[in-house]
Amino acid sequence: AQSVTQLDSQVPVFEEAPVELRCNYSSSVSVYLFWYVQYPNQGLQLLLKYLSGSTLVESINGFEAEFNKSQTSFHLRKPSVHISDTAEYFCAVSGYNFNKFYFGSGTKLNVKP
Amino acid sequence: EAGVTQFPSHSVIEKGQTVTLRCDPISGHDNLYWYRRVMGKEIKFLLHFVKESKQDESGMPNNRFLAERTGGTYSTLKVQPAELEDSGVYFCASSQWTREGNEQFFGPGTRLTVL
Repeated sequence: AQSVTQLDSQVPVFEEAPVELRCNYSSSVSVYLFWYVQYPNQGLQLLLKYLSGSTLVESINGFEAEFNKSQTSFHLRKPSVHISDTAEYFCAVSGYNFNKFYFGSGTKLNVKP
Repeated sequence: EAGVTQFPSHSVIEKGQTVTLRCDPISGHDNLYWYRRVMGKEIKFLLHFVKESKQDESGMPNNRFLAERTGGTYSTLKVQPAELEDSGVYFCASSQWTREGNEQFFGPGTRLTVL
């Protein structure tokens, strides 16, 4: 069985400050890892993913996440956040068939001016 | 290209009534998934279609839920009769295998409130 834990339900942060959203997973098999973002009144959008290769993956808008197999973590970071990053972020895992995603409970990032 | 669409965006019904949610996947996507998020908790998998066939329905809560995908295009999820604990946001996603994998594209969700 697989499960995902997002320890922080809400993260308030000031604009231009760094942020880390934590994600830990448990799985008896190798997995693929994802971060999705949901902006207000929109669907989930894929932010970044780890499938294989380099353990550090980046998104086009400055977020990055590092796969740490020994700690079973996939924390999301951004060195300087913008107001527009205010959204809810979901960590997810899937098996190699991609056919069933297991999500965490989400972290609401609130960027304040 | 249109994304995954869902209808309605919101639905408020009374306990015991029936509600049908609709999902239109991205054109050409064989895989269609339903997920549910209850009360700010994690998003949970309900079931997976490959074309018109149910590949995995292990996440369906009980027999009050019926999902169909006639013709392998759009899908419906019917709840009959609805109970209070069915309230939540129902997400649909679709995907198609490529060399890069099987990225799931999500719709905006249907918020269901059962009173």
